[in-house]
Amino acid sequence: DQQVKQNSPSLSVQEGRISILNCDYTNSMFDYFLWYKKYPAEGPTFLISISSIKDKNEDGRFTVFLNKSAKHLSLHIVPSQPGDSAVYFCAASEVSSNTGKLIFGQGTTLQVKP
Amino acid sequence: DAGVTQSPTHLIKTRGQQVTLRCSPKSGHDTVSWYQQALGQGPQFIFQYYEEEERQRGNFPDRFSGHQFPNYSSELNVNALLLGDSALYLCASSHPWGNTEAFFGQGTRLTVV
Repeated sequence: DQQVKQNSPSLSVQEGRISILNCDYTNSMFDYFLWYKKYPAEGPTFLISISSIKDKNEDGRFTVFLNKSAKHLSLHIVPSQPGDSAVYFCAASEVSSNTGKLIFGQGTTLQVKP
Repeated sequence: DAGVTQSPTHLIKTRGQQVTLRCSPKSGHDTVSWYQQALGQGPQFIFQYYEEEERQRGNFPDRFSGHQFPNYSSELNVNALLLGDSALYLCASSHPWGNTEAFFGQGTRLTVV
């Protein structure tokens, strides 16, 4: 039962262009969503989050969009840089359950070409 | 400010053995969660500890157990190791309530042979 899905295993973009990573979820009780970046031999690093009461959150080059009716979120990186090459995970939680348990997608490997 | 630290970084065990992994949370955090990440997959929630008690558990067998100490550090124990337990084990710390991101350690790579 995959409650959070990232259907694109990989994405390749040119430096300076936009990277768009997508994530779908099935559990309507999820009310907090996060994106993590992971380099090899390191743990996931928190990037950006969004609460279900919002539809957009921006932090520098990173913007997350949430479409609750479609149960879909996306991460936009503009402009993309070679250092952004990593595996990106989206994660979801039910804040109301007060457990902090995160449900992760399978990840999307982003390659930014110079 | 020390982040989340895990030990050891790598471990090789034989099938049937037992293993203990350790985690120290980020300063100021009192909640520790453990995740298993198999190759090519996202992290899977094992369980979470708060106030030295297991607060929630994922879909993992009883061979997986844990403990949290008064200083908030935590251990993950796995008994009767199977080949399928080979994975990256991640520890994450956070505050216990509300919208809060989890901070992850670098993980322990466990290989069962």
